[in-house]
Amino acid sequence: GDSVTQMEGPVTLSEEAFLTINCTYTATGYPSLFWYVQYPGEGLQLLLKATKADDKGSNKGFEATYRKETTSFHLEKGSVQVSDSAVYFCALRGYQKVTFGIGTKLQVIP
Amino acid sequence: DTEVTQTPKHLVMGMTNKKSLKCEQHMGHRAMYWYKQKAKKPPELMFVYSYEKLSINESVPSRFSPECPNSSLLNLHLHALQPEDSALYLCASSQGWTNEKLFFGSGTQLSVL
Repeated sequence: GDSVTQMEGPVTLSEEAFLTINCTYTATGYPSLFWYVQYPGEGLQLLLKATKADDKGSNKGFEATYRKETTSFHLEKGSVQVSDSAVYFCALRGYQKVTFGIGTKLQVIP
Repeated sequence: DTEVTQTPKHLVMGMTNKKSLKCEQHMGHRAMYWYKQKAKKPPELMFVYSYEKLSINESVPSRFSPECPNSSLLNLHLHALQPEDSALYLCASSQGWTNEKLFFGSGTQLSVL
């Protein structure tokens, strides 16, 4: 079945540091890939997505590239802010189902 | 309107109670979902509705009973729950079933005493 492997956190960074959160997947066919973010006490919000190989999703300074050859979709940001503190979920969309990774908690300190 | 609205935000119930969670969206989405999320865990799919019909039940115990009265509403009826059912229950919707993103509500935080 489909699965998503995501680095476990927590990840603690200083403001303006570079962020990478690794994500790899296993799936049949050609799934769409997503990064969702969850702030405390809230539901998940889409951060970015990519629907085919070599697509790059980007939003709010975050980027991720769909790498079919390495089955990866790593999340990066060049300079994190305190307001980026949240839990980040990598996700894979098959037909009707979305499979989530375990989630990585990011804490950014001033 | 790009919101999924869930009520109530918080719910405390005893093991003999019957309660319902409600979810509403007015984006014309034809797929609606219930997820369960335990603390520090990813959301786990419970049910998928497609065009108001139940299309996926992830072997959820019968004490959870979903209902989709119309294309905008999704309910989750709760009866005889156990303390281990305490979790954040998230509703989501999407336009379709393949590439489209999920729109999530803020969830109902359920505590079963």
